[in-house]
Amino acid sequence: DQQVKQNSPSLSVQEGRISILNCDYTNSMFDYFLWYKKYPAEGPTFLISISSIKDKNEDGRFTVFLNKSAKHLSLHIVPSQPGDSAVYFCAASEDTDKLIFGTGTRLQVFP
Amino acid sequence: DTGVSQDPRHKITKRGQNVTFRCDPISEHNRLYWYRQTLGQGPEFLTYFQNEAQLEKSRLLSDRFSAERPKGSFSTLEIQRTEQGDSAMYLCASRTRDRGYGYTFGSGTRLTVV
Repeated sequence: DQQVKQNSPSLSVQEGRISILNCDYTNSMFDYFLWYKKYPAEGPTFLISISSIKDKNEDGRFTVFLNKSAKHLSLHIVPSQPGDSAVYFCAASEDTDKLIFGTGTRLQVFP
Repeated sequence: DTGVSQDPRHKITKRGQNVTFRCDPISEHNRLYWYRQTLGQGPEFLTYFQNEAQLEKSRLLSDRFSAERPKGSFSTLEIQRTEQGDSAMYLCASRTRDRGYGYTFGSGTRLTVV
């Protein structure tokens, strides 16, 4: 039972362009959503979060959009940089506090 | 603030042996979590503590797994009678009460059972 899904295992984007990473969820009780970035041999690093009472949150080059009716969120990175190349995980939580992660999307930003 | 520290970084053990991992959270974080990540998957929740109280355990945490957080500071995760299926990255995370700042993860302990 995969409650958080990232259907694109990989994404390749040219430097300077926009990267859009997508995430779908099934549990309508989720009230907090987060994006993490992970490099090999390191733990996930928190990027940005959004509460279910909002539909957009922005932090520098990173923007997260939430569409509750579609149970869909996306992470936009503008402009993309080679250092953004990593695996990105979408995660969600509800009152129980634990995070439920998706399977990740590997982003490659090429020059 | 040195972040979340995990020890060891790598552990290779023979099947049937016991292993113990340690996590030192950020000092002011009262909540501590253990996750497990296998290849091609996202981290999976195992258990979490608020101070010294273990508040939730996943059904993934079989009887061979035990976690403790004495005095609400560092935590240990022990796996008894290891099996090859236990090979994974074990991640520890901590946070304060405010979920808006996310969970800070350690670099993990990679366990290989041979």
